[in-house]
Amino acid sequence: EAQVTQNPRYLITVTGKKLTVTCSQNMNHEYMSWYRQDPGLGLRQIYYSMNVEVTDKGDVPEGYKVSRKEKRNFPLILESPSPNQTSLYFCASSLLGDRGRGYGYTFGSGTRLTVV
Amino acid sequence: DAKTTQPTSMDCAEGRAANLPCNHSTISGNEYVYWYRQIHSQGPQYIIHGLKNNETNEMASLIITEDRKSSTLILPHATLRDTAVYYCIVGLYNFNKFYFGSGTKLNVKP
Repeated sequence: EAQVTQNPRYLITVTGKKLTVTCSQNMNHEYMSWYRQDPGLGLRQIYYSMNVEVTDKGDVPEGYKVSRKEKRNFPLILESPSPNQTSLYFCASSLLGDRGRGYGYTFGSGTRLTVV
Repeated sequence: DAKTTQPTSMDCAEGRAANLPCNHSTISGNEYVYWYRQIHSQGPQYIIHGLKNNETNEMASLIITEDRKSSTLILPHATLRDTAVYYCIVGLYNFNKFYFGSGTKLNVKP
């Protein structure tokens, strides 16, 4: 089944303890992206990647890192999590269509992160 | 980036067509119109997209006005499972960033 898999689904951690949220897709998609969703603020893009070893900042990259060493994986790293990073996180992937136009994201099921 | 304007919420009776409007008056010539929906706190789900012509797939129809300044997503026979937040998004040419906005909360009622 074509899908984007995020792990873990739920995570409670303490301030300052490094964590990684994994994201993997099995559709050979070039494009991958991370979003966070907060009440009243909607979905905001954190980082995205157009292909292996190519990453760039979204709208809210502060406090996050990403890497794209393999096409299928795009982990989100919080080096020193803080309570304001408590949020619902989504990973998404997409084919890049003709001249860079995508044909629709596939989203993961989400990771609910709580930082205390 | 073209911004979109959608009603905050809409109601629809089960079995009837749901017509969700979206204004995107500043859309540029190369930008597509995409529709996604999010059921509760699940990951958003792609529905349909289009550039100029009307589009139809197994989920919905997309009607884009001739001047491309607005569009309507049509769910032909809404069911209770279609209750969700529907996002109208205008995609940048290079597809680097998507802006989801606030969307329309569609309530399908029995």
